[in-house]
Amino acid sequence: DAGVIQSPRHEVTEMGQEVTLRCKPISGHDYLFWYRQTMMRGLELLIYFNNNVPIDDSGMPEDRFSAKMPNASFSTLKIQPSEPRDSAVYFCASSFRDRGSPLHFGNGTRLTVT
Amino acid sequence: QQQVKQSPQSLIVQKGGISIINCAYENTAFDYFPWYQQFPGKGPALLIAIRPDVSEKKEGRFTISFNKSAKQFSLHIMDSQPGDSATYFCAASINAGNMLTFGGGTRLMVKP
Repeated sequence: DAGVIQSPRHEVTEMGQEVTLRCKPISGHDYLFWYRQTMMRGLELLIYFNNNVPIDDSGMPEDRFSAKMPNASFSTLKIQPSEPRDSAVYFCASSFRDRGSPLHFGNGTRLTVT
Repeated sequence: QQQVKQSPQSLIVQKGGISIINCAYENTAFDYFPWYQQFPGKGPALLIAIRPDVSEKKEGRFTISFNKSAKQFSLHIMDSQPGDSATYFCAASINAGNMLTFGGGTRLMVKP
């Protein structure tokens, strides 16, 4: 298996622009997570899905952020409009639903908003 | 509020030495404590995990020690190697679920 695939690896955009981050989870996994990593706040859970259904989005910072999972093999995280404080590395992870199943992370998307 | 506090933020160890990273938690409902290892440019990957029914778990050079009464757990890396240089995250969850609360991370550097 190729693992969790994220695209793009790097994104540089100007403040106010829309940004869409993409994720392909590992086939067969039930859960999908979006995390944000910054030096100041570490790894923050933004939202997670169970069988394509959003379960907990309490970590989404504000209405500018939205996430979708239209099918079991694809998810997007959208920021509109983007702001400089959104600059971070965004990770997607997936796992089986079994308790204690490890999270498999992608290599992340480094977002820079100027 | 669910929180996991990790220390130190950074650590430098000589090759062959022991690296020790500590975590403390507040929520007594936590019952699953994994450690993740992250190399630059990569996502975190599960290293080792422990349940609170045991006080220690060892896998190769990596050992988790768990103190339920103190609500603390730690990662020990024996015979540390330069290849162990990475960022380490402790985490915790309830009902061994997959919704993890991560500590702030420790950047480990092992000098040759």
